[in-house]
Amino acid sequence: DAMVIQNPRYQVTQFGKPVTLSCSQTLNHNVMYWYQQKSSQAPKLLFHYYDKDFNNEADTPDNFQSRRPNTSFCFLDIRSPGLGDAAMYLCATSPHEGTYEQYFGPGTRLTVT
Amino acid sequence: AQRVTQPEKLLSVFKGAPVELKCNYSYSGSPELFWYVQYSRQRLQLLLRHISRESIKGFTADLNKGETSFHLKKPFAQEEDSAMYYCALKLRQLTFGSGTQLTVLP
Repeated sequence: DAMVIQNPRYQVTQFGKPVTLSCSQTLNHNVMYWYQQKSSQAPKLLFHYYDKDFNNEADTPDNFQSRRPNTSFCFLDIRSPGLGDAAMYLCATSPHEGTYEQYFGPGTRLTVT
Repeated sequence: AQRVTQPEKLLSVFKGAPVELKCNYSYSGSPELFWYVQYSRQRLQLLLRHISRESIKGFTADLNKGETSFHLKKPFAQEEDSAMYYCALKLRQLTFGSGTQLTVLP
């Protein structure tokens, strides 16, 4: 089954300790997105890649970075996690920019202790 | 500025009753609006989009530009409709509302 996979599903990190979340896709989609979703809030777009082009949202903190080494994989790096970064992180893909349908992974729940 | 508002965090209805999940948006142009759904232990997925004017799983949503609304409706709710529903507005990218948890009671 073609799909979007996120590992790990649950991640615990310490305050200030760098952490990396990963996303992979077998859909061969050009666009990959990272969203942050805090409890009872809307998913909030952090950034997206269209192929190798990185697009950062204006209000995404510098603490958040992303890498896309190839079409299939995309990583979210949090350089110095704070307590406020505890959230569900969702990866999504779409065939092209402007495509209305996004395909979501199951998410990684990040806890910061 | 909040672009998409879903005023109800929680909504409960009985099986067979009509259900309406409210969504209001703020955008002066021609909006592209969608409903996404997340069933328990499943991933977020597209339910329907306004431009297709389709009915999916018995749900419909009509864009009302005068009221800037895109409410999701179903005449007879089923227990399997219990889920989290997100309204989304596509500008440059998707902007989601904060969601409504629908519970359909037996």
